[in-house]
This record gives sequence, structure tokens and C-alpha cells, in this order.
Amino acid sequence: DGGITQSPKYLFRKEGQNVTLSCEQNLNHDAMYWYRQDPGQGLRLIYYSQIVNDFQKGDIAEGYSVSREKKESFPLTVTSAQKNPTAFYLCASTETSGGTYNEQFFGPGTRLTVL
Amino acid sequence: QKEVEQNSGPLSVPEGAIASLNCTYSDRGSQSFFWYRQYSGKSPELIMFIYSNGDKEDGRFTAQLNKASQYVSLLIRDSQPSDSATYLCAVDGSTLGRLYFGRGTQLTVWP
Repeated sequence: DGGITQSPKYLFRKEGQNVTLSCEQNLNHDAMYWYRQDPGQGLRLIYYSQIVNDFQKGDIAEGYSVSREKKESFPLTVTSAQKNPTAFYLCASTETSGGTYNEQFFGPGTRLTVL
Repeated sequence: QKEVEQNSGPLSVPEGAIASLNCTYSDRGSQSFFWYRQYSGKSPELIMFIYSNGDKEDGRFTAQLNKASQYVSLLIRDSQPSDSATYLCAVDGSTLGRLYFGRGTQLTVWP
């Protein structure tokens, strides 16, 4: 089955720790995205990548870092510089064809809680 | 900053009624419009997309787009309790590859 997987489903972080959220897709999509969702809020874009070895900051990149070494993988690191990281984190990907971007498909999400 | 506004909820309708969800957007250059459904604690799933002015129907769902008014809506006919969820409107923008999301409208369908 093709899809997007995220792990872990739940993650607990102590203050001052860096943690890494995994996102893998086997849809052969070029573009991948990380969003953050807080209760009652829409999705806010953290980082996105349109091609391997390239990524751009979204609207709330401070305190986060990403890498895109493989087409299938787009891990997100939440650093200790992110002061309020408790949220629901969603990874998404989309097919690009001829410069046109289609709908984004989402993984199941990772719920991060700071202890 | 691109703005995507959705009608404030929560919206509550009885089973069998029509639920109407509205969305306005600020970027006149937007070309692609998406409606996602998100159940509590789950990730969003795409239910409709529309690119051209007018109506697009898929089962009980109809998306309506009016680019001149910068308005897109989602109608759910014969609403069912299983339709109770948050509906997110998403719009593309001038930055290639980005979607801009509204805050969502929470819909409750009561039996």
C-alpha cells in the first residue's frame, strides 16, 4: 500500500531536549511538508521541500530543522530553541507534474508533549 | 501573508439537512482549492478539490467556486452523524508548492 508514515505516534520531550520526528512516503512524491496544528487552529507550515537536498522555511521555522537526503524521507527535528513545542505535527506530500502541484496527502501525525 | 478565512463555527445541523461551509481567500491568483475533513485526533483527508468556476459534485458533496468573489464553499447534502468533523479549506498561492489553510469549521450533525 502506498502512503505516508509518521513515527512515533506519541512523543514526550523533556525541556532542553532535541527530538526528531520521522516522516516516510512511498508515493514517489517530490514535495514534502511539515505542519504544526494547535488546538482549534488551522495548519501552520514549518518547512517544505520540493526536491531532494533542498528545503525552504515556512511561516514558523524558528526552533525547527529538517533534512531531505532521500526522496522518501523528510525528518523534522524540534530543537530546544522551540519554546512551546507541544502540538500535533503533520507531514504531507504531493505529486508535482509539469510544475503543477496537486493535492497534499497527510500522514497520521505525531503528537508531541513537553513534560 | 495569504489569508484564508472560514465561517466561524461550530456549525450544528440535524441529520438529513444540508450543511453549508464557506471560505474566502485573499490571493486573486489562486488557482486550486481543496476541502479537507479532519476527525478529532486524526489527520486531514481530502474530500473535494475544484479548479474551475462553478459547481463540482461528488456524491453528497458539492464544491462551489466563484473566483470573482474569491469565495469557495462546500455543501453536504443529507448530512449524517458521521460527517461530524472539522472541515479545512486550503488554497494555493503565488509561492509554488504551498497551500494556505483556514482555521477550519467544526461541524456537528445530530441525530
